[in-house]
Amino acid sequence: KAGVTQTPRYLIKTRGQQVTLSCSPISGHRSVSWYQQTPGQGLQFLFEYFSETQRNKGNFPGRFSGRQFSNSRSEMNVSTLELGDSALYLCASTIGGGSPSYEQYFGPGTRLTVT
Amino acid sequence: AQSVSQHNHHVILSEAASLELGCNYSYGGTVNLFWYVQYPGQHLQLLLKYFSGDPLVKGIKGFEAEFIKSKFSFNLRKPSVQWSDTAEYFCAVNVGYSSASKIIFGSGTRLSIRP
Repeated sequence: KAGVTQTPRYLIKTRGQQVTLSCSPISGHRSVSWYQQTPGQGLQFLFEYFSETQRNKGNFPGRFSGRQFSNSRSEMNVSTLELGDSALYLCASTIGGGSPSYEQYFGPGTRLTVT
Repeated sequence: AQSVSQHNHHVILSEAASLELGCNYSYGGTVNLFWYVQYPGQHLQLLLKYFSGDPLVKGIKGFEAEFIKSKFSFNLRKPSVQWSDTAEYFCAVNVGYSSASKIIFGSGTRLSIRP
């Protein structure tokens, strides 16, 4: 079974621009979560989508948004990029449905550099 | 607010040494606990998880962790480390039963093994 895929893998943007990252979950998984990983901060939860609806949201400004399509693929968008947005953005998928017993499967991440 | 603390930011050991990585969380209710590992250049992957039952949990590659509810801890252990255990280790907690997706991660512990 194919794993979680994320595109692009690397991205360089300048301040003020916007960016869209894509995540394709494992086939059959309906929940997609996004995390920001930075050195020293670990992984910080951005948001989670399940059946095209945002189900949970972390403490990030409104510049960070996302959506999920009917095929469970998800995109996240960051508008008006700031230098501090430079990070590895990870996507994780799980079967979903609300049970906490489901393991999250992570993708390789998108490395975003803002200059 | 719920949080996860990993007090050891960088641990350096020689091969065959014993390992214990600390993880403490702050939440008084029901928790589900995880340890994830990120090997250099690879995806985050699950080492082990605890939901209920025996508080001593065994995972892959000889790792185990013990849930001590009274101490709000879930420390990771391995009796004899190998050079291939060099990686970053993340403790994570999912609070309550609302969703599998909103998991709080610690800031990670980098483990370096001297051959």
